Amino acid sequence: DGGITQSPKYLFRKEGQNVTLSCEQNLNHDAMYWYRQDPGQGLRLIYYSQIVNDFQKGDIAEGYSVSREKKESFPLTVTSAQKNPTAFYLCASSPGGTGGYEQYFGPGTRLTVT
Amino acid sequence: RKEVEQDPGPFNVPEGATVAFNCTYSNSASQSFFWYRQDCRKEPKLLMSVYSSGNEDGRFTAQLNRASQYISLLIRDSKLSDSATYLCVVRCLDTGGFKTIFGAGTRLFVKA
Repeated sequence: DGGITQSPKYLFRKEGQNVTLSCEQNLNHDAMYWYRQDPGQGLRLIYYSQIVNDFQKGDIAEGYSVSREKKESFPLTVTSAQKNPTAFYLCASSPGGTGGYEQYFGPGTRLTVT
Repeated sequence: RKEVEQDPGPFNVPEGATVAFNCTYSNSASQSFFWYRQDCRKEPKLLMSVYSSGNEDGRFTAQLNRASQYISLLIRDSKLSDSATYLCVVRCLDTGGFKTIFGAGTRLFVKA
């Protein structure tokens, strides 16, 4: 089945630790995105990548880092510099170009930092 | 002013009712429009794209009004399973290139 997977579904970490969230897609999509959603709020863009080995900062990139070494994978690292890391993290992908711009989401990772 | 604005609701409607949501956008260079549905504690899922001529998918109808810069979603014959948050999404041309903006969503509760 084609789709986007994120792991783990729930993640608990202590303050001061870096943590990496996984995102994999087998849709052959060029573009991938990371969003953060806080309770009762909309999605905020952290980072996005339109092509392998290239990525750009979104609206709230501070305290986060990404890599795009493979088309299928776009992992997000939440560093200890991120002041309020507890949130619901969503990864998405889209075909891009003539394939269309609608985004398809993975099931998300709920990160709790205490 | 927010780039994409939605009435947060909640809209509480009985089963079988017709309900409509509007969403306004501020960037006149907006080019692509979508409605997503998000269930509680789940990921958003694409409901439908919105075309200039308007489009319908079963009980759902989406319309675009470029002159007034808003899109709408009409749900007919509401079902209990329609209860969710509906997100308006706009793709527009900005100074740094294209960007996709998600509205904060409108909550719908359909009651028996």
